Amino acid sequence: DARVTQTPRHKVTEMGQEVTMRCQPILGHNTVFWYRQTMMQGLELLAYFRNRAPLDDSGMPKDRFSAEMPDATLATLKIQPSEPRDSAVYFCASGPPPTGHTGELFFGEGSRLTVL
Amino acid sequence: AQSVAQPEDQVNVAEGNPLTVKCTYSVSGNPYLFWYVQYPNRGLQFLLKYITGDNLVKGSYGFEAEFNKSQTSFHLKKPSALVSDSALYFCAVSPSGNRDDKIIFGKGTRLHILP
Repeated sequence: DARVTQTPRHKVTEMGQEVTMRCQPILGHNTVFWYRQTMMQGLELLAYFRNRAPLDDSGMPKDRFSAEMPDATLATLKIQPSEPRDSAVYFCASGPPPTGHTGELFFGEGSRLTVL
Repeated sequence: AQSVAQPEDQVNVAEGNPLTVKCTYSVSGNPYLFWYVQYPNRGLQFLLKYITGDNLVKGSYGFEAEFNKSQTSFHLKKPSALVSDSALYFCAVSPSGNRDDKIIFGKGTRLHILP
């Protein structure tokens, strides 16, 4: 049963610490998305990749967030330094090409981040 | 700017009654439209999509959605609600011809089905 795997599922950290979230997309999927979910803002698109190349990261605070795909089986989202306002659930989703036409994204279970 | 609006934060429906969850969009061209559902502490799951053709599309769990181009709407519907339908529902859009595959989500509507 193919699925998107995210780690960690839960993370509590203190303000100023570095946080790294990891995502393993479904094998064969060539688009990977990072979304952030909060009560106030809903589901925000942070960044996405196609064939490992970043296509759009305009939704991401550049001074502290970075997203990469070191290889086709791993996507990372890093926050350094973390702040309390970063507390949210971060979702990774992957999709087979061309995602905009099929529309079916496969979401991971999310990483719940709490920054104290 | 491309956007998706879900005007209701919450919808309450009695079990057995029909339900509607509203969605409107603002994009240029002819968009592709989707609905996703999220259960507590889970990721989103794909429900259905509209690409082209018949304005009424059917999806998982008995849900359907009606595309209305003149009203730029894509409302989610079900003829008879179940308590198990209680969840958070997201409308999403991908602009037609957008080869970058960006998918934008609405803020979500919480659906409560009352027994």
